[in-house]
Amino acid sequence: SQTIHQWPATLVQPVGSPLSLECTVEGTSNPNLYWYRQAAGRGLQLLFYSVGIGQISSEVPQNLSASRPQDRQFILSSKKLLLSDSGFYLCAWTPTSSYNEQFFGPGTRLTVL
Amino acid sequence: KNQVEQSPQSLIILEGKNCTLQCNYTVSPFSNLRWYKQDTGRGPVSLTIMTFSENTKSNGRYTATLDADTKQSSLHITASQLSDSASYICVVTGNTGGFKTIFGAGTRLFVKA
Repeated sequence: SQTIHQWPATLVQPVGSPLSLECTVEGTSNPNLYWYRQAAGRGLQLLFYSVGIGQISSEVPQNLSASRPQDRQFILSSKKLLLSDSGFYLCAWTPTSSYNEQFFGPGTRLTVL
Repeated sequence: KNQVEQSPQSLIILEGKNCTLQCNYTVSPFSNLRWYKQDTGRGPVSLTIMTFSENTKSNGRYTATLDADTKQSSLHITASQLSDSASYICVVTGNTGGFKTIFGAGTRLFVKA
């Protein structure tokens, strides 16, 4: 069966510090991968998606970047965090076909102070 | 503009009661509609998925309906339990040359004893 992992679960970082969140998927190959951010009481906002290694599409211009160094690994990064980067970050995957539902990871709660 | 609107924003009900959550969308052309349940601090978990030709789908005490003509969907929860307290998110995928997934802001449901 397929599983999706995210770490860390929670993170508190000072403004201006770097960020690296990691997401890995097991039990499948060539998944579509997604990074979302969810502000408190708000809906999910798609940040990045990837249909293959090294292929990254950005939905919203921002202080963040994403990379996919391996087929089942998706990394969300920032060189200098802003207060507005605080939120709940979710990684998700789908099989290659876009008709299928998205399976979400457990999320990372990021607080920037 | 493709949008997904959910109502109410929040809802409080007593344990054992039924409730219905609403989702209106303007995404066109339509591919599928999903309802997710998101517990606080966790990733969303899929409840139901419906395509254009389906107008009802059940998953235990959860029943989703879809009217593709009026672009409306509802999620009915029967005999609510305390564990039903969560956010319920309506997600619509459109086929607009590339598949576009739009998330609603969610309805926050509180079930009280």
